Amino acid sequence: ETGVTQSPTHLIKTRGQQVTLRCSSQSGHNTVSWYQQALGQGPQFIFQYYREEENGRGNFPPRFSGLQFPNYSSELNVNALELDDSALYLCASSIPTGSYEQYFGPGTRLTVT
Amino acid sequence: AQRVTQPEKLLSVFKGAPVELKCNYSYSGSPELFWYVQYSRQRLQLLLRHISRESIKGFTADLNKGETSFHLKKPFAQEEDSAMYYCALSGNQAGTALIFGKGTTLSVSS
Repeated sequence: ETGVTQSPTHLIKTRGQQVTLRCSSQSGHNTVSWYQQALGQGPQFIFQYYREEENGRGNFPPRFSGLQFPNYSSELNVNALELDDSALYLCASSIPTGSYEQYFGPGTRLTVT
Repeated sequence: AQRVTQPEKLLSVFKGAPVELKCNYSYSGSPELFWYVQYSRQRLQLLLRHISRESIKGFTADLNKGETSFHLKKPFAQEEDSAMYYCALSGNQAGTALIFGKGTTLSVSS
């Protein structure tokens, strides 16, 4: 069984740029959630995708957007990067029935300068 | 407002001492409660959830709806328990988003 993978591991961007982060969900999982974890904070929910549709969104502006593909992998896109977007971005996959457990990837560390 | 509060940023104990990591929550409805753990250089992983009423690695957590608390306990701490612990809640449908607390670092020394 393959776990959740994320790419890249880390990257550095300049304020105003755009970034795309990628996530491959665990085998058999059709739901992907994205979280932002700022330094010293717990993860904060950005949004969730289920069968390629957005299925819930946290308190993040529209410049945070996402996609889910037929193979259930997912992308997080952030436009017009701000310094406060510097954080660890976590992807988690799950099955929306039966199990409540979310399986997390290792994260992508984004630094905005 | 939906919120999870972990009042302690750091908890330091000696090996063999009892451990209690505090968690209080605010939620309108009946949430599901979880403890997630992150060991050094490892990814975030589920430790236990209240619906399972299980004991994992000697840890237990009891949901107290009256006090809206879900404290994590272990009678005898081990050095390998040193990690970051996050309390989290979600709605009562599987697959819904998790709301996390800020986390408590547990440090167990010999």
